[in-house]
Amino acid sequence: GAVVSQHPSWVICKSGTSVKIECRSLDFQATTMFWYRQFPKQSLMLMATSNEGSKATYEQGVEKDKFLINHASLTLSTLTVTSAHPEDSSFYICSATGTSGRPQPDTQYFGPGTRLTVL
Amino acid sequence: KQEVTQIPAALSVPEGENLVLNCSFTDSAIYNLQWFRQDPGKGLTSLLLIQSSQREQTSGRLNASLDKSSGRSTLYIAASQPGDSATYLCAVSSGGSYIPTFGRGTSLIVHP
Repeated sequence: GAVVSQHPSWVICKSGTSVKIECRSLDFQATTMFWYRQFPKQSLMLMATSNEGSKATYEQGVEKDKFLINHASLTLSTLTVTSAHPEDSSFYICSATGTSGRPQPDTQYFGPGTRLTVL
Repeated sequence: KQEVTQIPAALSVPEGENLVLNCSFTDSAIYNLQWFRQDPGKGLTSLLLIQSSQREQTSGRLNASLDKSSGRSTLYIAASQPGDSATYLCAVSSGGSYIPTFGRGTSLIVHP
């Protein structure tokens, strides 16, 4: 149990286009979802936290107009990178926490990640 | 602000060795500490979760310990195998939320 999926697993796009990444909790309801980015040989950096039905909370330095997050249901959150540029190329990972009970509410379950390459 | 440091950054060992990976954190008021494994280009796989009230957790050949007072955790890997080659990340949740702060990881290579 507690499986999180991401789609696509990798994407290549041209500079200036927008890319949408989906994060789904497959077997539990995710009250909160998190989006991270990871540069090569670097740690995961939290970008934003989203709760179902409300606006995402962005970390300092993350442009909310560039990284649009929508958490429309308890099983789906999307991250849209608008007007992508080569410096946005990175590995994007989502995670989710569930409601009380199973899975453990204080544990994040991570998706497999999405590799974004902007040409 | 919580800071998490992992030492060493990289490690290369022959198969069969017992290993110790280190994680240190600056704020001892933690909720939990988690060790993850990340294979190249992949997401995170949770290995062990230690709650604040616990001192260690074990799973197979893995043992993780927690010493809050000194701000340290160690991940012990017994009888290492080539399949253990990966990056191991330490993540600490503290400061009023369950959102973890990650270390940079230890890149492990176990060669036959």
